[in-house]
Amino acid sequence: GENVEQHPSTLSVQEGDSAVIKCTYSDSASNYFPWYKQELGKRPQLIIDIRSNVGEKKDQRIAVTLNKTAKHFSLHITETQPEDSAVYFCAGRSTDSWGKLQFGAGTQVVVTP
Amino acid sequence: GAVVSQHPSWVICKSGTSVKIECRSLDFQATTMFWYRQFPKQSLMLMATSNEGSKATYEQGVEKDKFLINHASLTLSTLTVTSAHPEDSSFYICSASRTSGGDNEQFFGPGTRLTVL
Repeated sequence: GENVEQHPSTLSVQEGDSAVIKCTYSDSASNYFPWYKQELGKRPQLIIDIRSNVGEKKDQRIAVTLNKTAKHFSLHITETQPEDSAVYFCAGRSTDSWGKLQFGAGTQVVVTP
Repeated sequence: GAVVSQHPSWVICKSGTSVKIECRSLDFQATTMFWYRQFPKQSLMLMATSNEGSKATYEQGVEKDKFLINHASLTLSTLTVTSAHPEDSSFYICSASRTSGGDNEQFFGPGTRLTVL
């Protein structure tokens, strides 16, 4: 099955700086990679996703890049704000018929004013 | 659209009792629902996948006789934690997708905090 690794586990950035989180996956047939933001005690919220036929996707201050050859994808947050502080999870979707997601371990992002 | 609810939002029970958690898709029909467990400061771990009208598929290491899943309709799935013990205390989150596999987003419920005394 799919195995997703995520780094770093914690990330502290100054407000206004950029944050980058990296994930690698093992199943070369995986074709969908979402990113979630989870605040303490809340549900994960989809913030951006990318499919395997695309190399990069951007939505305002958030962007995701995908390198299929190297089997890694990254989340980029520019001009960080205190409200960006949360735990971020990457995930990969397996190609089995159920569409299961395999989550990375998570990155605690702290944006300091 | 695509709202998923869970009930209860939190529950405290005594060791040895059973607890039922409901997951509902409020404005769409969910062919597939997923149940996750999340321990403090850890990631979401998939427990099982359920499809309406069929038996759930459990992940390796998840006891199907302890975590009973029923997906009786296209809008409701239930997870029953039987004979709960303190180590079952966790945050249980469900998600739902409109169809099986394919290009469908999973919509997450708000989670249920279970505390077993």
